[in-house]
Amino acid sequence: GAGVSQSPSNKVTEKGKDVELRCDPISGHTALYWYRQSLGQGLEFLIYFQGNSAPDKSGLPSDRFSAERTGGSVSTLTIQRTQQEDSAVYLCASSNRGGQPQHFGDGTRLSIL
Amino acid sequence: AQSVTQLGSHVSVSEGALVLLRCNYSSSVPPYLFWYVQYPNQGLQLLLKYTSAATLVKGINGFEAEFKKSETSFHLTKPSAHMSDAAEYFCAVSLYGNNRLAFGKGNQVVVIP
Repeated sequence: GAGVSQSPSNKVTEKGKDVELRCDPISGHTALYWYRQSLGQGLEFLIYFQGNSAPDKSGLPSDRFSAERTGGSVSTLTIQRTQQEDSAVYLCASSNRGGQPQHFGDGTRLSIL
Repeated sequence: AQSVTQLGSHVSVSEGALVLLRCNYSSSVPPYLFWYVQYPNQGLQLLLKYTSAATLVKGINGFEAEFKKSETSFHLTKPSAHMSDAAEYFCAVSLYGNNRLAFGKGNQVVVIP
């Protein structure tokens, strides 16, 4: 069966550009999470969506980061005016109820030149 | 705030030998605890979780972990290592009703033939 799908798998961009990262959760999963994985900081929570509730944005590191989830399914994480410290692997996960992430995608590896 | 500590970033184990990965948590209230595994260039896969039921939790791939409140520990074990167990393992903690996972730094497991 289809798992969590993320695109692109790799993204290289210049400092100062905006980027969009996409996540397709498992069909029917109401909860969606974004995490960031970097060498220096390890795994960090970014944002959590659950159904139609207001998202938990408490992990977003700055106002350059935003995320939305349209129609309760696909999610897009947007980083504006990228900085070199944004270089990391961005992981999306989903689960079929609230709580903790069960199924992770393979991530988007973001490199800022 | 809750946190977990994983000692020893790299762990080498001989094929067929016991795998033991240590995780100690810090939490002011009873936590939920998790172990995830990450294979190269992939997302995280949930191995097992403790959610205040049985203290000995059995997971996938022959792994198990025991919650010990007196030691604030949730160590991961597998009786006999297989080459396919080579991966990075993360311990994580959350509080009941809290969707944010706090991850440890991870253990990179190398299996020696």
